[in-house]
Amino acid sequence: GAVVSQHPSWVICKSGTSVKIECRSLDFQATTMFWYRQFPKQSLMLMATSNEGSKATYEQGVEKDKFLINHASLTLSTLTVTSAHPEDSSFYICSARDLVVLTFGAGSRLTVL
Amino acid sequence: KNQVEQSPQSLIILEGKNCTLQCNYTVSPFSNLRWYKQDTGRGPVSLTIMTFSENTKSNGRYTATLDADTKQSSLHITASQLSDSASYICVVSLNSGNTPLVFGKGTRLSVIA
Repeated sequence: GAVVSQHPSWVICKSGTSVKIECRSLDFQATTMFWYRQFPKQSLMLMATSNEGSKATYEQGVEKDKFLINHASLTLSTLTVTSAHPEDSSFYICSARDLVVLTFGAGSRLTVL
Repeated sequence: KNQVEQSPQSLIILEGKNCTLQCNYTVSPFSNLRWYKQDTGRGPVSLTIMTFSENTKSNGRYTATLDADTKQSSLHITASQLSDSASYICVVSLNSGNTPLVFGKGTRLSVIA
């Protein structure tokens, strides 16, 4: 079945540094990838939608200069949290979609000290 | 406005009991409806996907139903196990538009011994 690999699964960084999270579709080509953020005991919040080769579409309230999304190929999208602060600590999840399948990654837990 | 409403918000049941989770949507044009299970600290995992013409689909102890006329879906869990404790998310796909997926906020299920 369709598999989405997300890396790293957890990361701890100092305030002010940048962190990159990768999302790869391993056995299918993803025309669209989505990035979500999830706080404890809350539902997934869509941050942005990215299509291969074009700029990401950000949801209202999500700073595109802070959360940089690159979707350079049909199997890879990256989310970079720039100048991270403690309030950016959260669980970040990606999902990848082809014509039928929508598969989620296992998530990346970011802790900013 | 395209929306997906899930109920109940949370549910506690005894191990071995059955339960039913509800998903009502006002999404149009409808493409398909998916149920996901999300364990704490993990990414969502697909349980079922149903198109317009499908009324029932089973995956082990999970049975999803869809009534496209009333725009309602349910997820029935039979003989619950402790490992069923998770959030269950209903996701509806549109047939068109720039925001192809609409997420419910999930039902948090706790199965206790």
